[in-house]
Amino acid sequence: QLQLQESGPGLAQPSETLSLTCTVSGGSISGSRYYWAWIRQPPGKGLEWIGTIHYSGSTYYNSSLKGRVAMSVDTSKNQFSLKLSSATAADTAVYYCSHSRSQLGAFEIWGQGTMVAVSS
Amino acid sequence: QSVLTQPPSVSGAPGQRVTISCTGSRPNIGAPYDVHWYQQLPGTAPKLLIHGDSNRPSGVPDRFSGSKSGTSASLAISGLQAEDEGDYYCQSYDSSLSGYVFGTGTKVTVL
Repeated sequence: QLQLQESGPGLAQPSETLSLTCTVSGGSISGSRYYWAWIRQPPGKGLEWIGTIHYSGSTYYNSSLKGRVAMSVDTSKNQFSLKLSSATAADTAVYYCSHSRSQLGAFEIWGQGTMVAVSS
Repeated sequence: QSVLTQPPSVSGAPGQRVTISCTGSRPNIGAPYDVHWYQQLPGTAPKLLIHGDSNRPSGVPDRFSGSKSGTSASLAISGLQAEDEGDYYCQSYDSSLSGYVFGTGTKVTVL
């Protein structure tokens, strides 16, 4: 059974890059049918998809984040990562990593989430 | 501003049936792209409840059911229980945005 665990700083500076990592256990990140995603939830608000990556390197990003997003996969560590540049207070949220078995499939498994505050 | 609209809240007494609507448009639900539903209990991560419009993952009680028609989808909870209190989100793909979209979310309250 796949399990996901987010990690990273709980505080990011305005205008800097917010960086998070998701560690996958119970399976290989290199599975051809596996897609890995980041989803966030600002305090008291709804869910927002950030981006999805396939282990092959194909990426799909939320256009509303205007090119500030970069995702990558590290197969040697069974991890995938998120970088969100030019962070502002609007990026303060709980960040979840998730997995789906196809490009248009449901987000089947979720990490527990990690809170990131953008503040000086 | 989400492209999938849900009622902010629904409520019902224990044992009753409630439904949550998810209204979209032609580039998403009406395309038709699959609709998925998630349950988020207080203080926890979302959990997949329904996938592919109407399919329940293993372990999800059959009290939960999903349906879709045209540009809208619905989640029904029958035999409402206190443990069902939480937030529920629909999700689909939108071809005009080239991305995944979530509904605005619905808070379910058991009276």
